[in-house]
Amino acid sequence: GAGVSQSPRYKVAKRGQDVALRCDPISGHVSLFWYQQALGQGPEFLTYFQNEAQLDKSGLPSDRFFAERPEGSVSTLKIQRTQQEDSAVYLCASSRGQGTDTQYFGPGTRLTVL
Amino acid sequence: SQQGEEDPQALSIQEGENATMNCSYKTSINNLQWYRQNSGRGLVHLILIRSNEREKHSGRLRVTLDTSKKSSSLLITASRAADTASYFCATPRSPSGNTGKLIFGQGTTLQVKP
Repeated sequence: GAGVSQSPRYKVAKRGQDVALRCDPISGHVSLFWYQQALGQGPEFLTYFQNEAQLDKSGLPSDRFFAERPEGSVSTLKIQRTQQEDSAVYLCASSRGQGTDTQYFGPGTRLTVL
Repeated sequence: SQQGEEDPQALSIQEGENATMNCSYKTSINNLQWYRQNSGRGLVHLILIRSNEREKHSGRLRVTLDTSKKSSSLLITASRAADTASYFCATPRSPSGNTGKLIFGQGTTLQVKP
């Protein structure tokens, strides 16, 4: 595909449910990032992969958040036992190399926890 | 936590006018980037300015960087209705910029009236 894609675009979950958000990066991109964006705020970093290795997960808010990229391409962000404060837009970005390469963002998944 | 503070939070202008947005940051940086986000869409990379640059142009965009004041500005000249969006500045988390992790400001919401 031409850009980063994410699915689903919208997800409504009841509090306590588990959710899985998918990111398809640009083909061949080494780096993949997840960000969380609350309403009216800028994105906040969650985690970073270089190929299949998760090199930085310092932004994950709690152990209910888990991300993986097992084959160095598609990534999944999983949130267990969702809570209302998890409601946000989850953005995925990829970049060709590492470090300062331009990051290309997907459209995001808007998660609403009721 | 977020690195940058953007000013103003909201800006409304007439088509054809220029729009100026400012960003201040806290720590030493390797580069500073500006992104645009349209309603309901992902972030689009606009321009990157390195710490050894003072000014950079791209089409109708002009970015300045003052590392002594830890601030940057984005100027959009001859604005169009299609420029209506939120604009964010972002800096790499580490001064060397080699982690790729971006810290975003809270953004400026620009409305361009036709």
